[in-house]
Amino acid sequence: AQSVTQPDIHITVSEGASLELRCNYSYGATPYLFWYVQSPGQGLQLLLKYFSGDTLVQGIKGFEAEFKRSQSSFNLRKPSVHWSDAAEYFCAVATSASDMRFGAGTRLTVKP
Amino acid sequence: GAGVSQSPSNKVTEKGKDVELRCDPISGHTALYWYRQSLGQGLEFLIYFQGNSAPDKSGLPSDRFSAERTGGSVSTLTIQRTQQEDSAVYLCASSFLSAGRADTQYFGPGTRLTVL
Repeated sequence: AQSVTQPDIHITVSEGASLELRCNYSYGATPYLFWYVQSPGQGLQLLLKYFSGDTLVQGIKGFEAEFKRSQSSFNLRKPSVHWSDAAEYFCAVATSASDMRFGAGTRLTVKP
Repeated sequence: GAGVSQSPSNKVTEKGKDVELRCDPISGHTALYWYRQSLGQGLEFLIYFQGNSAPDKSGLPSDRFSAERTGGSVSTLTIQRTQQEDSAVYLCASSFLSAGRADTQYFGPGTRLTVL
């Protein structure tokens, strides 16, 4: 069965430091891959997505993610974190329109 | 245009009562999804509507949960005889799909349900 794993429940980084949030999936073929962010009291917002082509995907707010087929991973990165990036981040994997699975989320805390 | 809207934003009810949660998707979006997000948990898929096709109800946790989508637009999620474990944030999302391919889902702000 398809599954999504976000190994880190909570990450704390200092403002200005780099960030990497991990996402691994289990599926036989290459699925569609997404990262969403949920700020406190807000709905989920799409950061970026990967369907095919270039494995390094650029998103909004300075985020990027790299699809690595050999590792079944789609890690999210940002070179310099801002205090406003504090939020919950969800990786999602879909094989079809009716089959999107979300990871449990990683909560990001940004220290001043 | 307007995003996905949900009402009410908060709902407090007593155990055993029925509740209805409403979702207005983005105009023109053919697909509509309901998810449940419990405290500290990821999103749990509940149900999916696509156009005029029969909905995918595979995620509904029990027969107390039902949903309908009228006229291919507004959707209502109904929970009958609510239980305390139903307390969660219920999220609705919509998407414009082509050929059944997964694509970006646009989420509403959610309805926070508390069952006392």
